[in-house]
Order: sequence, then structure tokens, then C-alpha cells
Amino acid sequence: GNSVTQMEGPVTLSEEAFLTINCTYTATGYPSLFWYVQYPGEGLQLLLKATKADDKGSNKGFEATYRKETTSFHLEKGSVQVSDSAVYFCAPLSYSSASKIIFGSGTRLSIRP
Amino acid sequence: NAGVTQTPKFRVLKTGQSMTLLCAQDMNHEYMYWYRQDPGMGLRLIHYSVGEGTTAKGEVPDGYNVSRLKKQNFLLGLESAAPSQTSVYFCASSDTLRTNEKLFFGSGTQLSVL
Repeated sequence: GNSVTQMEGPVTLSEEAFLTINCTYTATGYPSLFWYVQYPGEGLQLLLKATKADDKGSNKGFEATYRKETTSFHLEKGSVQVSDSAVYFCAPLSYSSASKIIFGSGTRLSIRP
Repeated sequence: NAGVTQTPKFRVLKTGQSMTLLCAQDMNHEYMYWYRQDPGMGLRLIHYSVGEGTTAKGEVPDGYNVSRLKKQNFLLGLESAAPSQTSVYFCASSDTLRTNEKLFFGSGTQLSVL
């Protein structure tokens, strides 16, 4: 079955630091890869996605590259801001069945001013 | 532009009480899901629906029931609440099961069972 291993948090960084949140997955078929973000008191929202190998998803300064050979989709940002404080979820989505939509356990990120 | 709306936002129950969580979406989506979020465990799928009148079990269905009588609504019921059901519940919807389709989430319901 599908599974995802995500970097445990919490991760605490100073403003303008470089961010990496690791994500590796196992999935049947050819999954699309997503990062969702959850700001305090809100539901999850899509941050970025990549649908095939070597694709790079990007949004709001965040990037992640679909690495099929290492089954990874690490999230990076060159200079984090206080407003990036949130919980980040990695999600390999194989839509052969709705029940196979899974999420990582989430990584809480806190940015110090 | 409402998207996915969950009611209520907060609820406190006593063990054994029942309640229904309502999820409504205005995007004409076929697929709807109920997840629960617990610390360190991410999101776990409780039940889902692939269309009006259909429901199916997810990863952790025990103690919950669901109904999808109308396409826009997906109800999650707890018949006899237990402290283990203390959690944050999220509803989500999607238009299709295409591999590049994103999920739209509600803002969550925080439920405490005493």
C-alpha cells in the first residue's frame, strides 16, 4: 500500500534561514506528489504539486522536485519568514482509489523573528 | 466563494452522547471525505463518498457513520461518543480522481469528548 515518511517536527528556524523538510514515499503506480500547508486554525490548502518525475513544483518561494529514483519530494525554501509558520503535509496521491489518498504526519514549522 | 463549510467549529460532548457534523460544498464536487487529525498522526481517512447516495469506509471507520443524501452535503455521525474520538475533524472534497486534482478542505471541527 501507499505510505509516506515525513521529517518529524517541530522545526524551529530564525527568519531568513534556509528550510528543508524531507519527505519520502512508497506508492503504487505513478503518483502525483503534493505539499499541503495548514496555518493555525485553518484547514489544509494546497501549497504546490508535481505530477511526473523530475517536475518541480513551486509556490510562495517554496520548491519541491519529484525524484522518482529516490522516491522523494523534499520541500525547500531559501529564506523563510515568520508568516511561513504552519504545519506542512506531504501527500503522494495515487488516485486508483479514493481510499488511497494518504497524508504524512505533518511537520510543524516555527519561525523566530 | 464559500468552498467547503463545516459546522459546528467546536463541540464538547459527554461520553455516550451523539452528534452529527455537517460538511457542505458549493463546487459541485463528486468526491467528499472525512478525516480526523490527531497529534503526530497526520490525517486519517474515516469515510468517503464518490457520489450522491454512496459511501465507503476509510482507514478508521469504527464508531462513525456517514450519509450523502445530497451531492453537496456529507454528514458524519457519532452515535455514542467516546473519549478516543476527541480530535479535529476535517471534511474535504474534490471534483474527480485525476492524479493532478487537489483536495479542498474545510476549516475543521474541534471535538472534545469528556
